[in-house]
Amino acid sequence: IAGITQAPTSQILAAGRRMTLRCTQDMRHNAMYWYRQDLGLGLRLIHYSNTAGTTGKGEVPDGYSVSRANTDDFPLTLASAVPSQTSVYFCASSELAGGDTQYFGPGTRLTVL
Amino acid sequence: GQNIDQPTEMTATEGAIVQINCTYQTSGFNGLFWYQQHAGEAPTFLSYNVLDGLEEKGRFSSFLSRSKGYSYLLLKELQMKDSASYLCAGLDSNYQLIWGAGTKLIIKP
Repeated sequence: IAGITQAPTSQILAAGRRMTLRCTQDMRHNAMYWYRQDLGLGLRLIHYSNTAGTTGKGEVPDGYSVSRANTDDFPLTLASAVPSQTSVYFCASSELAGGDTQYFGPGTRLTVL
Repeated sequence: GQNIDQPTEMTATEGAIVQINCTYQTSGFNGLFWYQQHAGEAPTFLSYNVLDGLEEKGRFSSFLSRSKGYSYLLLKELQMKDSASYLCAGLDSNYQLIWGAGTKLIIKP
């Protein structure tokens, strides 16, 4: 692995189902982020983690949860998916929190029907 | 409120120069990033400005005016592979990135 990986690449999900998007980085970066990207809108921060064991809420956290049990992994869970959560989800990491350059994973395209 | 404004779409000719503008309003200011995003791919870092002035990196340059809340990305000697979206993002007082919607740049031969 080199950089950040995300899984799955794409997913179609029925509304009401639970879904976890996976994100793993091998750069030993302290900070990790989850964004959603919708057409015509900028990237919006869902949740972030400045270091392993800590998480914080971003701009649009409702309906999503995260955990950061170790440095490498930062999964995003949709407890009960709704159609408005249809989006492209990007995981990113930075060496340090606080404005360091962010490096992005390839994204997960999620469709909720 | 916090806001980043940039044009939705621009068209330019291969070999030419194009300037993509970005104006920002953030709570506090700790710098301005530019990222490139090809269709269907992840954003990749291009530049970071925190002081006024022009920073040059090969064919790409980025300019910042803090007093005017304004930045631009200058792309020279355009190539077809430069067709992409260019994302402007401001870093606010809490060190959170505020992202613009991106400027889609179309390069014509």
